[in-house]
Amino acid sequence: QLLLQESGPGLVKPWETLSLTCSVSGGSITDHRYHWGWIRQPPGKGLEWIGSVYYDGKTYYNPSLKSRATVSIDTPKSQFFLNLRSVTAADTAVYYCARDAGGSTSDIWGQGILVTVSS
Amino acid sequence: QSALTQPPSASGSPGQSVTISCTGTSNDVGGYDFVSWYQQHPGQAPKVIIHAVNKRPSGVPDRFSGSKSGNTASLTVSGLQAEDEADYYCGSYADSNNPHVLFGGGTKLTVL
Repeated sequence: QLLLQESGPGLVKPWETLSLTCSVSGGSITDHRYHWGWIRQPPGKGLEWIGSVYYDGKTYYNPSLKSRATVSIDTPKSQFFLNLRSVTAADTAVYYCARDAGGSTSDIWGQGILVTVSS
Repeated sequence: QSALTQPPSASGSPGQSVTISCTGTSNDVGGYDFVSWYQQHPGQAPKVIIHAVNKRPSGVPDRFSGSKSGNTASLTVSGLQAEDEADYYCGSYADSNNPHVLFGGGTKLTVL
C-alpha cells in the first residue's frame, strides 16, 4: 500500500530555513488523480494546511504562509519537499506530508516529524 | 484567513449521538461541497472519516455521517463507542482564485 515518510532535521535555528523531504513508496507520485501536500500541527494545537504540489510542479499555498513556503517535487526520486524560510518559534510543529485527493481531502498521511525552532 | 470555527469540546455517553459543527463562510464551507472530517487519536496522524461533505471512505463505520447547511457543516457520530474519543477536525476547500485548504480548530470528543 502507499506509504509516505517525512525526513529532515528535528531542530532548526531561528531565522534559518526548515527543509523537509517526503518519500513516497508503494504507489506512483505521478498519478494524475492526486496532489501532494504538507500540513503542520503545533504542539497541543490544531491543523494548518501549508501547501501542495502536483506531479507537473504546479503549486498551491496557504495565503498566510505563501511568502515563506516553497513546495517542490522530484518525480524520478518519488519525493516532494517543503522549504520554510525565516522560521521562528511559532513554526515549531509536527509536520505531516499527505496525499491530497482533491477538495479538502488528505487521504493518506505520513507519521509526522516534530521540528523544533530554537537556538 | 481565519480558521473554520468548531466547538472546543463535545461529549456523550456510550450509545448516544453527538453532533459537531464547523462554521465557515461562503468562500469556503458554503461555497463548495468539499468539506472533510478527520479523526485524530493522541500521538497519531489524522485519519479522514468523511469527504465531500457526506461520503465515507471504505472502512469507516456508518456511525459517522456528515452534512452541510449554508456555511455550516456537521459531523454526527451515532451509537457512541469508547474508541470514538478523539480530536475531530473539519477541513474545507477555499477560494477558487487562490485555491487552498482551511481547517477548523478541532473538537475534543469525550465519551463519558
